[in-house]
Amino acid sequence: DAKTTQPTSMDCAEGRAANLPCNHSTISGNEYVYWYRQIHSQGPQYIIHGLKNNETNEMASLIITEDRKSSTLILPHATLRDTAVYYCIVRVTNSGYALNFGKGTSLLVTP
Amino acid sequence: DAGVTQSPTHLIKTRGQQVTLRCSPKSGHDTVSWYQQALGQGPQFIFQYYEEEERQRGNFPDRFSGHQFPNYSSELNVNALLLGDSALYLCASSWTSGVQETQYFGPGTRLLVL
Repeated sequence: DAKTTQPTSMDCAEGRAANLPCNHSTISGNEYVYWYRQIHSQGPQYIIHGLKNNETNEMASLIITEDRKSSTLILPHATLRDTAVYYCIVRVTNSGYALNFGKGTSLLVTP
Repeated sequence: DAGVTQSPTHLIKTRGQQVTLRCSPKSGHDTVSWYQQALGQGPQFIFQYYEEEERQRGNFPDRFSGHQFPNYSSELNVNALLLGDSALYLCASSWTSGVQETQYFGPGTRLLVL
């Protein structure tokens, strides 16, 4: 699976959009971009995933660049409960492969 | 619809002992993966079970073993516990037969080895 690079930490004011970047410059054509988050001491929570088109669900939006070498997870109106570590993972689906978690981005949402 | 459940939530063992952790997958899922998360680190893949067989394994010693039952639930066994086995153990379930194998995680079992 392709390697990902994420900033170590980010801050965001409550009510503002949180934009979390992820670089995956070695991604191959059959690899999806997955995002999970982990609130302190809880299990990781699936957020969203995509291949090449932008995706949106009730939690977030995923914007993937045209060359697929980077992506951005957008939380449109961050709340204090969005404070968590966010993991960007690139993997081949339908493969049975493990999720390779890196260090993720620690997002702090402040009042 | 119940999500992934794990038991127990917390466990304290001493070095050399053996431990068994349990996981029930999300309804409709047939595949179970186990992860270990040490303090301050991301989860590390231990192994994955499908059709009651281990079909993929991470870089963990043979002291770590597992089982999957016909109802898709799973157990993780760790023998000869070491202090370094203290961690949050996470179970994730997915649907292999589906188009997308998104893994959904349980709340974890926190193991402390003294």
